[in-house]
Order: sequence, then C-alpha cells, then structure tokens
Amino acid sequence: ETGVTQSPTHLIKTRGQQVTLRCSSQSGHNTVSWYQQALGQGPQFIFQYYREEENGRGNFPPRFSGLQFPNYSSELNVNALELDDSALYLCASRGDRDGNTIYFGEGSWLTVV
Amino acid sequence: QKEVEQNSGPLSVPEGAIASLNCTYSDRGSQSFFWYRQYSGKSPELIMFIYSNGDKEDGRFTAQLNKASQYVSLLIRDSQPSDSATYLCAVPERDDKIIFGKGTRLHILP
Repeated sequence: ETGVTQSPTHLIKTRGQQVTLRCSSQSGHNTVSWYQQALGQGPQFIFQYYREEENGRGNFPPRFSGLQFPNYSSELNVNALELDDSALYLCASRGDRDGNTIYFGEGSWLTVV
Repeated sequence: QKEVEQNSGPLSVPEGAIASLNCTYSDRGSQSFFWYRQYSGKSPELIMFIYSNGDKEDGRFTAQLNKASQYVSLLIRDSQPSDSATYLCAVPERDDKIIFGKGTRLHILP
C-alpha cells in the first residue's frame, strides 16, 4: 500500500478526444510525478510538480499538461489524443525526506481507438 | 540523458534456483539505483535501493553494484513462482526524474 490512488483504472477514448487522469497522494507528499508506460516498455517520465509548480518535464509535447492542488491531488490532461497515447499512466509521489524514492499508484490504463 | 539497458528476456529459471538479472547504465556519475518489480497488469513496486559499491541484501534479494563497470544486478535466491514478473532497473537523474530500463521478464518454472 503506497498511499497513492489513481482514477479511473481503465478507460477508452477516441482519437482526437481529451482525457483527464487523477491522482491522490499521501498528506505531506509535496512532489508528484507522472509516467507513461507503453506495452513492453519501461515507464517514461512525463513531468513533475513540487508544491503546485512544474519543476521538470520529459520529452512529451505540450498537449500533455498537468496540475497539482494544495490537497495533494493532481491531474494529468492529454489533449488531441493519438493512438500512440494508449498506455498505462502512472502517478508517483514522495515526501521531502524520501530522497529519490518514489511510490507508484496502481495506474490508469488508457486505450485510444 | 542517462540510459539504462536491460535484456528483455524472458529469463526462465527453475523453482528454487538463483535468478540473476543484470542492468548497465551509461552515466558514470550515477550514484544510486533502484530495482522495481512489476506484475503483469500492475504498477511497479520498489523492491531494492542501492547506492554503495558491493552487495545489499534484503531477504531473498541481493542487489550488487559495480560502479567501475557500470552495472547493477539483482539476485533472487530460492526462486518462487510468485517471483515471475518483469524487473525494472532505474536510475535517478539530478532533476529527480527516474530513468527506467525496459525491464527483464522473469519466468520461474515450477
């Protein structure tokens, strides 16, 4: 039990649509990061937030955006969905004293058709 | 950007034997390393963290780090069918993002 919960667990969207994925972290976990894991691949870093400000971004286009809220919840938004966006989306959080150690939620499986 | 390389497998190991999983990394300056286990359809679960040269043991798991050769390995003793999973090697970058390898699929044969 990591204390990180994600919703929805599974969803299907049509190409061109928009999707919002949600994450709820433990109280005190000021850092939240999002990863995309395509089938057969390792997780790829999308971006990271610290105290509601983005402080790191991977090689993902601007149609991937996020928000972090004061209540330790966060969102990943993806616009103009493409077929290649089909993947497992993982939210991970950590406290200020956890170093680099991150704890993943169960993930949201997104299928784009 | 740092790179992490793993053999994708599958690696098949008889039950009760030692499973050996290997990972190489590109950045000689990398200081710490993670091993995550991921069951099919589930999210990655942290099983080991190592930052010093040598061995770190936790139950049936031993992580080995050799910074001079830039590899890190994970040994699983007395392998069980429940160890069948994908094992991900990961390295943190300075900006705290984690770089993952593609993972090695391990299959324990009953």
